[in-house]
Amino acid sequence: AQTVTQSQPEMSVQEAETVTLSCTYDTSENNYYLFWYKQPPSRQMILVIRQEAYKQQNATENRFSVNFQKAAKSFSLKISDSQLGDTAMYFCALVENDMRFGAGTRLTVKP
Amino acid sequence: EAGVAQSPRYKIIEKRQSVAFWCNPISGHATLYWYQQILGQGPKLLIQFQNNGVVDDSQLPKDRFSAERLKGVDSTLKIQPAKLEDSAVYLCASSLASLDYNEQFFGPGTRLTVL
Repeated sequence: AQTVTQSQPEMSVQEAETVTLSCTYDTSENNYYLFWYKQPPSRQMILVIRQEAYKQQNATENRFSVNFQKAAKSFSLKISDSQLGDTAMYFCALVENDMRFGAGTRLTVKP
Repeated sequence: EAGVAQSPRYKIIEKRQSVAFWCNPISGHATLYWYQQILGQGPKLLIQFQNNGVVDDSQLPKDRFSAERLKGVDSTLKIQPAKLEDSAVYLCASSLASLDYNEQFFGPGTRLTVL
């Protein structure tokens, strides 16, 4: 069964600092895709970063990077140089047959 | 490029009433998804369409929920009759194709409150 676990319901970080959001998952498949989506307050969900399971290299998108540990089934998101606009709910998602989301982590960036 | 449009944005109904939501995906996107997002939880897939055919509706409560995508473009999701536990945000998303790595583009959602 596909499951996604985000163990940190809420986190906060000071502006310009670095924060890491955790995500673990369970799947019986060898080929799958992992995503981090961001849902700002009262705004639409948007894709932050994606990772193909067959790629060993960790994905990076500007200030956002992941630490993908396939054997440990871990997929954490690191946000560097945090900005006030990063304040949002962050969802980790796994695509095997369909997309399964974790419960989310509410991140607050403090000035 | 216009995004995914949804209407209404908010809806309040009493239990046992019926309600319908509308979604217009991004032009050219073959795949359309409906998700239910209960407060404090991540979105849960209800149904996935590829053009006007259903790909996955395994988590759709078919005794009360129905969805259609006529002509492979717009889609409607209906609940009849609604229960208190249906209170949630209903998200529509679309993607170019149903390939696993395709980015899904989400609409603003419809917030349903069932009293």
